[in-house]
Amino acid sequence: GEDVEQSLFLSVREGDSSVINCTYTDSSSTYLYWYKQEPGAGLQLLTYIFSNMDMKQDQRLTVLLNKKDKHLSLRIADTQTGDSAIYFCAEMGAGTALIFGKGTTLSVSS
Amino acid sequence: EADIYQTPRYLVIGTGKKITLECSQTMGHDKMYWYQQDPGMELHLIHYSYGVNSTEKGDLSSESTVSRIRTEHFPLTLESARPSHTSQYLCASSEYGTGSYEQYFGPGTRLTVT
Repeated sequence: GEDVEQSLFLSVREGDSSVINCTYTDSSSTYLYWYKQEPGAGLQLLTYIFSNMDMKQDQRLTVLLNKKDKHLSLRIADTQTGDSAIYFCAEMGAGTALIFGKGTTLSVSS
Repeated sequence: EADIYQTPRYLVIGTGKKITLECSQTMGHDKMYWYQQDPGMELHLIHYSYGVNSTEKGDLSSESTVSRIRTEHFPLTLESARPSHTSQYLCASSEYGTGSYEQYFGPGTRLTVT
């Protein structure tokens, strides 16, 4: 079945790079997404990558996709305290519904 | 900034009460979704809709019901609230048939049933 796995916690120091990893199981997923959730808020789309791409860069964010290993990563350069949040990886499931991972809590210390 | 709204943001209600969580979007999106987010933060799809008069159950069984009479409005109703319904409920919408299908989320309703 479809499943998305993420590590639950990541702690970094301000100014360092953060790398959040995700594995998915549905090789037919056409899009993969990264969402950010701040406390008490809904999910905010950070970026997405089409399955025929290996990499996508958007300012401080870099997404890497390894289709062979079904591995997706999100790198945040120069991590700031405002980046502290929960980050969700998601793949498109049947009927364009999204299958979410359990979320990675990123903690940034100054 | 996505234009999708949920009310109320917070609700505390007694067991057995009927409640409706409201969700509206002004983007003209055809598809709308309801997710339940448990304390461990995992999101579960409970309902979705492809358009007016279309509703489907999601992956997680839920005692709630939904309706889609207007494109912009997708309310979720619990006929008789129970403590097990305590959770965060997130509404989302997306375009249908074009683009990257990204979903735009509302701010959520945090429901507590006592």
